[in-house]
Amino acid sequence: ELKVEQNPLFLSMQEGKNYTIYCNYSTTSDRLYWYRQDPGKSLESLFVLLSNGAVKQEGRLMASLDTKARLSTLHITAAVHDLSATYFCAVGFNTNAGKSTFGDGTTLTVKP
Amino acid sequence: GAVVSQHPSRVICKSGTSVKIECRSLDFQATTMFWYRQFPKQSLMLMATSNEGSKATYEQGVEKDKFLINHASLTLSTLTVTSAHPEDSSFYICSVEGAWNEQFFGPGTRLTVL
Repeated sequence: ELKVEQNPLFLSMQEGKNYTIYCNYSTTSDRLYWYRQDPGKSLESLFVLLSNGAVKQEGRLMASLDTKARLSTLHITAAVHDLSATYFCAVGFNTNAGKSTFGDGTTLTVKP
Repeated sequence: GAVVSQHPSRVICKSGTSVKIECRSLDFQATTMFWYRQFPKQSLMLMATSNEGSKATYEQGVEKDKFLINHASLTLSTLTVTSAHPEDSSFYICSVEGAWNEQFFGPGTRLTVL
């Protein structure tokens, strides 16, 4: 059974600081996703990582994938309040469309 | 990415009644749609895969007679929660799939069963 673990589950940080969210998974996968969920809202797709060493950046967020270590990271640079949300990673397979396994989510709170 | 709508966004019903939730793919035709549920402060759980013109595929532990899924057209899937009970109260989210199997989610439907 595929397990996806995120840490930390809760993160409180000050504006302007940097931090990294980690996503570990237990079996080989060929794709990893990051999603954002604002309170009371649905999820929004942030990044799709398809290969070992893949790195994607959007604004203050940068995601990377190490398939050998079965690890993805979401790095936050110079956090701002607007980044406060819950971030989910999800592990998927090309041959099992739609059946991504989600991590428990990391709730990020950025304080002024 | 794909644009997905859901209706209603919020519904409150009495125990024992049935509730229908609609999921529409607005900008492309989706042969497959997915239904998830999310309890407060928890992760998403895939309930079923909705297949246009054929039966839905349910995940283990999901009662297919309780959660009826119909995918009658390439842009519409419906989830009917039959004989709803308070434990069915949850956030129900549908999605369609992108080119890399990433999910584009609808805005969700918050169901409260009294």
